[in-house]
Amino acid sequence: DGGITQSPKYLFRKEGQNVTLSCEQNLNHDAMYWYRQDPGQGLRLIYYSQIVNDFQKGDIAEGYSVSREKKESFPLTVTSAQKNPTAFYLCASSIPGTQETQYFGPGTRLLVL
Amino acid sequence: RKEVEQDPGPFNVPEGATVAFNCTYSNSASQSFFWYRQDCRKEPKLLMSVYSSGNEDGRFTAQLNRASQYISLLIRDSKLSDSATYLCVVRDNYGQNFVFGPGTRLSVLP
Repeated sequence: DGGITQSPKYLFRKEGQNVTLSCEQNLNHDAMYWYRQDPGQGLRLIYYSQIVNDFQKGDIAEGYSVSREKKESFPLTVTSAQKNPTAFYLCASSIPGTQETQYFGPGTRLLVL
Repeated sequence: RKEVEQDPGPFNVPEGATVAFNCTYSNSASQSFFWYRQDCRKEPKLLMSVYSSGNEDGRFTAQLNRASQYISLLIRDSKLSDSATYLCVVRDNYGQNFVFGPGTRLSVLP
């Protein structure tokens, strides 16, 4: 079955620690995205990538970093510079330059200890 | 002004009711429009795309008014299982990014 997987489902971060969230897709989509969602709030774009080896900052990129070395993978690192990382992180993919929609992974819930 | 705005909600309706959600967008060059459904602590899932001529899928009807930059979603004969947050999503004219509204929460009561 084609889809997007995210791991882990829950992640705990200690003070000063970097953590990496995994996102993998087998939909053959060129574009991938990372969003953050806080309780009762909408989705905010962190980073996006339209093609391998290229990515762009979204609206709230500070304290986050990404890489796009393979088409299927778009990992997100939450660095210690992100002072309020507790949130629900959603990865998505789509076909750029079309009117097709965007599909989401099941999300990773990050909690700070 | 936010790029995509929705009714603030929440909407609490009895089973069997008809409920309508409204959404407005600011970018007149937007090309694609969608309604997503998000259950509590889950990822958003596509409910339906919105086409210029309007479209219907069972109990759900979506309408687009480009002149007024307005999108609507109508749910007829509400079921308990319709309880969720409904997100209005607009794709920009370059087909690159998706802009999400804040969502409208619906609770269907027995």
